[in-house]
Amino acid sequence: DAGVTQSPTHLIKTRGQQVTLRCSPKSGHDTVSWYQQALGQGPQFIFQYYEEEERQRGNFPDRFSGHQFPNYSSELNVNALLLGDSALYLCASSSDSWMGYNEQFFGPGTRLTVL
Amino acid sequence: GIQVEQSPPDLILQEGANSTLRCNFSDSVNNLQWFHQNPWGQLINLFYIPSGTKQNGRLSATTVATERYSLLYISSSQTTDSGVYFCAVDPGEDSWGKLQFGAGTQVVVTP
Repeated sequence: DAGVTQSPTHLIKTRGQQVTLRCSPKSGHDTVSWYQQALGQGPQFIFQYYEEEERQRGNFPDRFSGHQFPNYSSELNVNALLLGDSALYLCASSSDSWMGYNEQFFGPGTRLTVL
Repeated sequence: GIQVEQSPPDLILQEGANSTLRCNFSDSVNNLQWFHQNPWGQLINLFYIPSGTKQNGRLSATTVATERYSLLYISSSQTTDSGVYFCAVDPGEDSWGKLQFGAGTQVVVTP
């Protein structure tokens, strides 16, 4: 059973560029969340997608946008990159359950460096 | 929003020692998860524990939801236990699914 996968593993961009990160959820999961983890800090919630729509959003600017596809995979797009966007970007998947059980499982992350 | 505080921030252990990590949160939560982040950045699920006690090998966890804290116990520590341990809470209701992480506890286990 494949877990959460992310691509690419590493990425180097320059200020002002745009980037797209990709995530495939764990088998059987339908909900994808994205987190940003700066060096030495805990992950910060960016947004969550369910049924191809953004269901929750954290305190991130509109430069951060996303998409979920019918097969539940997801993309995170960041426009007009800033040096401060350099971080580890983590994708998590879970199953939307009326029972209230929504354990999140994380992928290996994409390390983005903005020069 | 909800505040999550972890203590201690750093912990150095000799192999074989036991330790307790603490997570305090400022409001009621829908669920709580403990993770271990390895040196490559992978977050590994340890426990999903909104309340009660669970055990998995040398690790165990207890969450007392009414008093807003959770404890992670590591017994007979091994060098492979090194890394950062995070507590994360799901506030529920309007913030369902928005995991709020603590700052983590950096654990170093020496041979």
